[in-house]
Amino acid sequence: QMQLQESGPGLVKPSQTLSLTCNVSGGSFSSGNYYWSWIRQPAGKGLEWIGRIYFTGSTNYNPSLKSRVTISVDPSKKQFSLNLNSVTADDTAVYYCAAGRGGGWFDPWGQGTLVTVSS
Amino acid sequence: DIQMTQSPSTLSASVGDRITITCRASETISNWLAWYQQKPGEAPNLLMSKASNLESGVPSRFSGSGSGTEFTLTVSSLQPDDFATYYCQQYKSYPWTFGQGTKVEIK
Repeated sequence: QMQLQESGPGLVKPSQTLSLTCNVSGGSFSSGNYYWSWIRQPAGKGLEWIGRIYFTGSTNYNPSLKSRVTISVDPSKKQFSLNLNSVTADDTAVYYCAAGRGGGWFDPWGQGTLVTVSS
Repeated sequence: DIQMTQSPSTLSASVGDRITITCRASETISNWLAWYQQKPGEAPNLLMSKASNLESGVPSRFSGSGSGTEFTLTVSSLQPDDFATYYCQQYKSYPWTFGQGTKVEIK
């Protein structure tokens, strides 16, 4: 059974870069059956899709964040990563990594990691 | 972007009730819609894809319907484990977008 686990700093200073990694276990990372996404959720609010990457490195980003986001992949380590630069307090959220399947739904998800942007 | 609007935002119900949540898309999305359940402190959990395809392991009291711009999630007989927040998500076009959520609370 596939599992995903986010890791990275829980506190980032304003104007710096938020960096998270998602480790994937179980399942086939490079089979082409999955694509790898980041999604975030500010406290008490809804879900925002950040972007996705295929094992080949092909990416799609949410235009609202595109200028600040980079998602990368390392199939040999079964990992993918999120970099979000020039962060502000508005970027404080729980960040989830998720496996995308089929046309665009997400399953499974990581447990989520809270990232707070504060000095 | 395709805007997804759920109604109601909050729903108060009792165990055994039949409930329906509506999700409307700002433009047609065919049946490219997923539903998720999220409990406090947990990640969302996929309930169904393609508007009505129930995920393996999801109880049959959950059902989905709709196509185009209007969709519904129905729980035929609400159970204690079903009190949670529900989200719809379109994957017709980028950026993929979610509804704002419907919180189902105990009446």
